[in-house]
Amino acid sequence: NAGVTQTPKFQVLKTGQSMTLQCAQDMNHNSMYWYRQDPGMGLRLIYYSASEGTTDKGEVPNGYNVSRLNKREFSLRLESAAPSQTSVYFCASSDPGFQPQHFGDGTRLSIL
Amino acid sequence: GQQVMQIPQYQHVQEGEDFTTYCNSSTTLSNIQWYKQRPGGHPVFLIQLVKSGEVKKQKRLTFQFGEAKKNSSLHITATQTTDVGTYFCAAPIYNQGGKLIFGQGTELSVKP
Repeated sequence: NAGVTQTPKFQVLKTGQSMTLQCAQDMNHNSMYWYRQDPGMGLRLIYYSASEGTTDKGEVPNGYNVSRLNKREFSLRLESAAPSQTSVYFCASSDPGFQPQHFGDGTRLSIL
Repeated sequence: GQQVMQIPQYQHVQEGEDFTTYCNSSTTLSNIQWYKQRPGGHPVFLIQLVKSGEVKKQKRLTFQFGEAKKNSSLHITATQTTDVGTYFCAAPIYNQGGKLIFGQGTELSVKP
């Protein structure tokens, strides 16, 4: 049982490049999330999707776009990467409401 | 805006000593969750507290939710090296559906 799968696990980009982080879950969850984790700042929500076809901004959405392709997949795109976006990115999923979130292994992204 | 403060940021203990992390909210919470993240890993759900004054135990871990539902704590009795990691509390963002706000986390190191 894979749970939440994120790809890639590591990525190095140059400033201005674009890329898409992929996330897929096999738990039939309606809700999916993208977080970034920086030292000493905990997890900060970038975007949230309550169900297929809906997305909502989180605490730090600037510089990012998302797509909820179907119930399983939720992708995060950086259109023009900046050094300030160097971080560890986690995707998570859960049942609706305030239910336990299941996290992927993360993508470690460095932008030079 | 809504804030969740977690203290301390770091805690270094000798194996066998007790450990406590505290989570304080600026607003009354409907419920609170706790997660553990091992070094290099992803957050893993531990427990959810819902009722005022609730106390739950998981082996050596004791979780409490304050009477006013504005604070919570996690206490570990007789720490072991397997307890190493960062512990996060997470609370629902008021009127924002399934979105969570995470505390900054407490990083626990245990010296054998």
